[in-house]
Amino acid sequence: SYVLTQPPSVSVAPGQTARITCGENNIGSESVHWYQQKPGQAPVLVVYDDSDRPSGIPERFSGSNSGNTATLTISRVEAGDEADYFCQVWDSSGDHHVVFGGGTKLTVL
Amino acid sequence: EVQLVESGGGLVQPGGSLRLSCAPSGFTFGIYSMTWVRQAPGKGLEWVANIKQDGSEKYYVDSVKGRFTISRDNAKNSLYLQMNSLRTEDTAVYYCARENGGSTNFDYWGQGTPVTVSS
Repeated sequence: SYVLTQPPSVSVAPGQTARITCGENNIGSESVHWYQQKPGQAPVLVVYDDSDRPSGIPERFSGSNSGNTATLTISRVEAGDEADYFCQVWDSSGDHHVVFGGGTKLTVL
Repeated sequence: EVQLVESGGGLVQPGGSLRLSCAPSGFTFGIYSMTWVRQAPGKGLEWVANIKQDGSEKYYVDSVKGRFTISRDNAKNSLYLQMNSLRTEDTAVYYCARENGGSTNFDYWGQGTPVTVSS
């Protein structure tokens, strides 16, 4: 089954670009989804199916997925983007299980 | 507006039971698969269980198999999680979430209900 590896933390200055990775062997063959979670709040879907955005999510949020790494990119980072971010896949190996990455704390300096 | 409201959490002793409920609104509940996800204090997200639209298929994370049961009542617009033989490691906030039809992600989440297993 999948084990999705995320860096525990990423720091970026306002206005810069943040990249959060999610690694697993051949993850490029799966659809990867990303969630943003602010303290005390429920997760919010920000990117689905590798690179699509739900309605209401700014265009600054984008995603890519190839080979062994999926990436969430946040352009022109704002203070309000500071949050935990989690990647997620559906383990299609037959167990019908959902797998989340360990999460990445994005700090806006 | 889509809303999911969980209830039923609380403090329970190890070995005890709790039944969580999730009340959806703003969408046709019966045509969506649903999921429970939990988050232990200071930890990440952990998928717990999911159930297909008609309740015919249910899946669980290994750590809760045989102890937790997911169910739904489409006539009553309700999702449930029966938790038995609770352990301290089940302490978490439990979220219900809607599975995005046709995809494998969760597009709407409730605010969660906290469960504390402690003596």
